[in-house]
Amino acid sequence: GAVVSQHPSRVICKSGTSVKIECRSLDFQATTMFWYRQFPKQSLMLMATSNEGSKATYEQGVEKDKFLINHASLTLSTLTVTSAHPEDSSFYICSAPDRQRGGYTFGSGTRLTVV
Amino acid sequence: GENVEQHPSTLSVQEGDSAVIKCTYSDSASNYFPWYKQELGKRPQLIIDIRSNVGEKKDQRIAVTLNKTAKHFSLHITETQPEDSAVYFCAAIVSFGNEKLTFGTGTRLTIIP
Repeated sequence: GAVVSQHPSRVICKSGTSVKIECRSLDFQATTMFWYRQFPKQSLMLMATSNEGSKATYEQGVEKDKFLINHASLTLSTLTVTSAHPEDSSFYICSAPDRQRGGYTFGSGTRLTVV
Repeated sequence: GENVEQHPSTLSVQEGDSAVIKCTYSDSASNYFPWYKQELGKRPQLIIDIRSNVGEKKDQRIAVTLNKTAKHFSLHITETQPEDSAVYFCAAIVSFGNEKLTFGTGTRLTIIP
């Protein structure tokens, strides 16, 4: 089935720095990528939807200038957390529609810790 | 937008017994309802899904039922095993492909040996 590779799996950064998370679709073209954030013991909350070649659509309450999303190719979408603060510490995960099986394929997630 | 409610938030079941998790959705146009199992620090894993044109689907010990009129769907796990312990999320979507999945709040299932 379709696979989405997400990197890094874990990152610790200092407050004020930026972190880039990559999601790459393997063996299929991901024209759409969904970016979720999951705080401990909570559900997955959609942050934004990226579409190849166009601007991302952000959910209400998500700062687009802080969470930069780029989807420049059919196989790569990136999320950059700019000027990270401790409250940005969370589990970030991407997901792309799996048109072969009719479901959604998830990346393996990135555990971000801002100190 | 779509709103998905999930109950219970926690569930403890004796090994071998059945577990049932229920979800309700708000958008009557929703037509795809997947269930995911998530272990700590891991990605959600699809365990079963159902589309709005059927009322029930079964895969070995796991089944899902859908009541479109009442706008609710349920996950049934029979003959539970310790490895079934995890957090389970339901989700709903209006159309597949470019629409976002709306997740339920999750159910932490614990199987007691």
